[in-house]
Amino acid sequence: GAGVSQSPSNKVTEKGKDVELRCDPISGHTALYWYRQSLGQGLEFLIYFQGNSAPDKSGLPSDRFSAERTGGSVSTLTIQRTQQEDSAVYLCASSYPGLTPTKNIQYFGAGTRLSVL
Amino acid sequence: AQSVAQPEDQVNVAEGNPLTVKCTYSVSGNPYLFWYVQYPNRGLQFLLKYITGDNLVKGSYGFEAEFNKSQTSFHLKKPSALVSDSALYFCAVREWSNTGKLIFGQGTTLQVKP
Repeated sequence: GAGVSQSPSNKVTEKGKDVELRCDPISGHTALYWYRQSLGQGLEFLIYFQGNSAPDKSGLPSDRFSAERTGGSVSTLTIQRTQQEDSAVYLCASSYPGLTPTKNIQYFGAGTRLSVL
Repeated sequence: AQSVAQPEDQVNVAEGNPLTVKCTYSVSGNPYLFWYVQYPNRGLQFLLKYITGDNLVKGSYGFEAEFNKSQTSFHLKKPSALVSDSALYFCAVREWSNTGKLIFGQGTTLQVKP
């Protein structure tokens, strides 16, 4: 597709359930980021993937959060045993890799709005 | 540590008037700065970036931003606001690391009234 695609757009779940959020990056973008947007914390980085390298998981808030990226393309963010404080919009972004700033613009998907009841 | 601050939660302006959305930054080294806009129920859309060069950067939808090194500011501007510019605006700085993650300001809601 032309842009970053995320699914589902909305997800309502019960406390304690597991959820999976999907991100399909722009074709050719090897760098992929997950961010979380919440009222209390603003926009915060969660995890970064670059090609086949080990991901940077430094932003994951707890061990209930995990992510994988299969085949260097689609990524899945999994939240286990969801809590009410996990309610937020989860945004995915992709870009070309490296430090070349002219190329390293992150393009965002529309996000998944997660509501934990 | 790098950081970005947007001192105004909301900016109100009348349609046709110039608008400014403020952003200040704190970085060690050269900053790579960005502005993004978010419309309701949409993701962030890239507006413009500053890397090096001219202090006045032009971007999408008639927006521009002025980089001021001495004041560590990167204010977003538009000469004539439109009602359709009403949205949430984020300033961000790219972290100097292998990840290049973005560090965002708190966001400023721009309200343009007819």
